[in-house]
Amino acid sequence: EVQLAESGGGLVQPGGSLRLSCAASGFIFSAYSMNWVRKAPGKGLEWISYINGGSSVIYYADSVRGRFTTSRDNAKNSLYLQMNSLRDEDTAVYYCAMGPVSGSAGYFDSWGQGTLVTVSS
Amino acid sequence: DIVMTQSPDSLAVSLGERATINCKSSQSVLYSSDNKNYLAWYQQRPGQPPKLLIYWASTRESGVPDRFSGSGSGTDFTLTISGLQAEDVALYYCQQYYTKGTFGQGTKVEIK
Repeated sequence: EVQLAESGGGLVQPGGSLRLSCAASGFIFSAYSMNWVRKAPGKGLEWISYINGGSSVIYYADSVRGRFTTSRDNAKNSLYLQMNSLRDEDTAVYYCAMGPVSGSAGYFDSWGQGTLVTVSS
Repeated sequence: DIVMTQSPDSLAVSLGERATINCKSSQSVLYSSDNKNYLAWYQQRPGQPPKLLIYWASTRESGVPDRFSGSGSGTDFTLTISGLQAEDVALYYCQQYYTKGTFGQGTKVEIK
């Protein structure tokens, strides 16, 4: 059974940094692309990043490009999101998500439970 | 980037009646090489992660009740819930995965 578990969320001041992790199990992690998706309070889902299995292709949404960095450690079955220069509007529940389609984000048939990031002074 | 626009933003439907949600993409998500529409639908209940309902515009995910169906091609798509149940109260999102993975703004479904 595929399991995804995010961690690392919390309260951070504007301009600060935070690193999220997603621990994966139940599948061959290195064979699958991974994504980060967020949901801000009162807003819809927002796809924010994609990384392929070998980390050779990484995409970002315009809203986070240049501030967020996605990486993975296939030996540790883990996905990461380094978030810098955080803004109020980055407040959201962050999900890691995956699916069977390769080459692009694909559709997501597996999701973690999410981790809450609150940016506030 | 492809922009996804859903309509309506919210709708209230009586139990047992049909709910219809529309999704329009700013450019076609039909990939000519495989003739597939790169379009998915999700359901999200409060406090839960999203749940995949439909992919390739009309393929129902395993375990999803058959009252959920997807249709459309190119730039215009529809999610239909035939015979609304109380447990269907949720937010619904379309997502294109033709390039990257943008979502629509969501449609809130309530009981009338």
